[in-house]
Amino acid sequence: GENVEQHPSTLSVQEGDSAVIKCTYSDSASNYFPWYKQELGKGPQLIIDIRSNVGEKKDQRIAVTLNKTAKHFSLHITETQPEDSAVYFCAASSTGGGADGLTFGKGTHLIIQP
Amino acid sequence: NAGVTQTPKFQVLKTGQSMTLQCAQDMNHEYMSWYRQDPGMGLRLIHYSVGAGITDQGEVPNGYNVSRSTTEDFPLRLLSAAPSQTSVYFCASSYSGGAGTQYFGPGTRLTVL
Repeated sequence: GENVEQHPSTLSVQEGDSAVIKCTYSDSASNYFPWYKQELGKGPQLIIDIRSNVGEKKDQRIAVTLNKTAKHFSLHITETQPEDSAVYFCAASSTGGGADGLTFGKGTHLIIQP
Repeated sequence: NAGVTQTPKFQVLKTGQSMTLQCAQDMNHEYMSWYRQDPGMGLRLIHYSVGAGITDQGEVPNGYNVSRSTTEDFPLRLLSAAPSQTSVYFCASSYSGGAGTQYFGPGTRLTVL
């Protein structure tokens, strides 16, 4: 089955700096890669996703890049703000993210230092 | 729309007790899933359903049962709770057809003593 590795487990950055979280996956058939943000006491919320037919996607301060050859994808957050502090999860799916399809990384605790 | 709702928010059980975690969605999603979240383990799939009357096992199904009698509801049953089932449980739903986005509920924190 699919295996998703996520690094680092904890990331502390100064407010205004950039943050990068990296994930690798094992199943070359995976074609859908979402990123979720989880705030304390809440369920995960999708913040951005990318499909295997594109290499990069941006949404304001957030971007995701995908390297299918190397089987890794990354989340980039620029101009970090205090509200970006949360746990971030990457995931991969070979079925487009259907009910059975998401394999999650173990999460990155992002801390924004004022 | 309320989205995905879960009840209860918190629950404490004794070993051997049974209970049902409720999950409902009002988005007419065909796909629904149950995950458990443990410290340092991410989210692991317990059971999932691709439509009413259809369920299947995920990565960690042992000790849990599910049923899907309606599109809206997907309850998770613990028949005989064990301390290893202490966790936070999340229900999620999504459209069929590979659209991908899974919408998560707020979670149920379960402690088994």
